[in-house]
Amino acid sequence: QSALTQPLSASGSPGQSVTISCTGTSSDVGGYNYVSWYQQHPGKVPKLMIYEVSKRPSGVPDRFSGSKSGNTASLTVSGLQAEDEADYYCSSYAGSNNFVVFGGGTKLTVL
Amino acid sequence: EVQLLESGGDFVQPGGSLRLSCAASGFTFSSYAMSWVRQAPGKGLEWVSAISGSGGSTYYADSVKGRFTISRDNSKNTLNLQMSSLRAEDTAVYYCAKVVRYCIGGTCYVEYFDYWGQGTLVTVSS
Repeated sequence: QSALTQPLSASGSPGQSVTISCTGTSSDVGGYNYVSWYQQHPGKVPKLMIYEVSKRPSGVPDRFSGSKSGNTASLTVSGLQAEDEADYYCSSYAGSNNFVVFGGGTKLTVL
Repeated sequence: EVQLLESGGDFVQPGGSLRLSCAASGFTFSSYAMSWVRQAPGKGLEWVSAISGSGGSTYYADSVKGRFTISRDNSKNTLNLQMSSLRAEDTAVYYCAKVVRYCIGGTCYVEYFDYWGQGTLVTVSS
């Protein structure tokens, strides 16, 4: 049950786009289209931003988008806004025995 | 409105035990798998354990297998986590989360966690 690999940090200026990667294996990210992304502001509860690789829950701005290629999933935030500054975690189904695995998290800074 | 309210977090010595509970409301509790996810201070999210809607299937992370037991009472809409042989590395905020799964042909795929509780803090220290 190894954690998915995310960069520790990412940054961009307001209005720019930033992409956060999430690398796993063929047993998790690469094997299933069940990758999700969560946003967590300091002291707050994680919030679902993307599910099934690229779907947005109701209420999530379309500035947030997801994709996947092979064993790597990506979250792109376009038109960065100050309120996007937060920690972002990816997650993937990891098989019936392992249930789910999270990434280590990426701190997104809006410069 | 879906609500998840955890309780039971406390300060406990290494080797001790603790029972966490999560009271659920606003959805048909027995129809959904539920999970515990923890977050150590200043660290990332770690999946801990999960249980199917009926309670018939349980899942554990290797880090807690054999020490933690997940259970649920569908008559009371309550999720529980019995923790024993606690270690310093179990110190974390423990979140209760509602699981969305896609089930087909006897296999259920975890899609995402759509609702999270506010969390309850467990501190293991001497």
